[in-house]
Amino acid sequence: KQEVTQIPAALSVPEGENLVLNCSFTDSAIYNLQWFRQDPGKGLTSLLLIQSSQREQTSGRLNASLDKSSGRSTLYIAASQPGDSATYLCAVRINSGGSNYKLTFGKGTLLTVNP
Amino acid sequence: DAGITQSPRHKVTETGTPVTLRCHQTENHRYMYWYRQDPGHGLRLIHYSYGVKDTDKGEVSDGYSVSRSKTEDFLLTLESATSSQTSVYFCAISDGQVLYEQYFGPGTRLTVT
Repeated sequence: KQEVTQIPAALSVPEGENLVLNCSFTDSAIYNLQWFRQDPGKGLTSLLLIQSSQREQTSGRLNASLDKSSGRSTLYIAASQPGDSATYLCAVRINSGGSNYKLTFGKGTLLTVNP
Repeated sequence: DAGITQSPRHKVTETGTPVTLRCHQTENHRYMYWYRQDPGHGLRLIHYSYGVKDTDKGEVSDGYSVSRSKTEDFLLTLESATSSQTSVYFCAISDGQVLYEQYFGPGTRLTVT
């Protein structure tokens, strides 16, 4: 059974700092990995999707990396801003033929960026 | 933003009553999902659908049933609500193409008293 772990559970940084959020998974036979952002009381917003054949995916100040062999992904946020404060969730999609559409989620990292 | 709406957005109900939550999409996506989100557990899949009238169980399906009679609507029913079903419920969709990228609705906060 795939398990997804996100460390740390919470992170507080000053504005302007570059930071890295970590995600690890137990089964390396993944199809792809998706990073989400969730603001308090809101739904999830998809940030980046990285395919199993990719090493990196970038969107603006965000960069996601994937190392399948070690079962790890990181989300790098450059020049953090108070508006980046949210919970960040990592989710893994297993490569299992007909079940490619199911995601397994980590419990998230709560990020606070202080002005 | 993906066109996903959930109704109601908030509901308080009593133990033992039936409850139906609705998810509606305007994207014509093939796959639809129901999750619940609880502190300490994260997001857990309840049921999903891979087409009209095609549904299957997720990891926490006990006490829940679903129906999908049209592409755009996916209903989640709690036959007899219990306090352990107090949670925030999210609907998600994906197109079933190469990426299977999922998009989420705004959520329904359900309280069972």
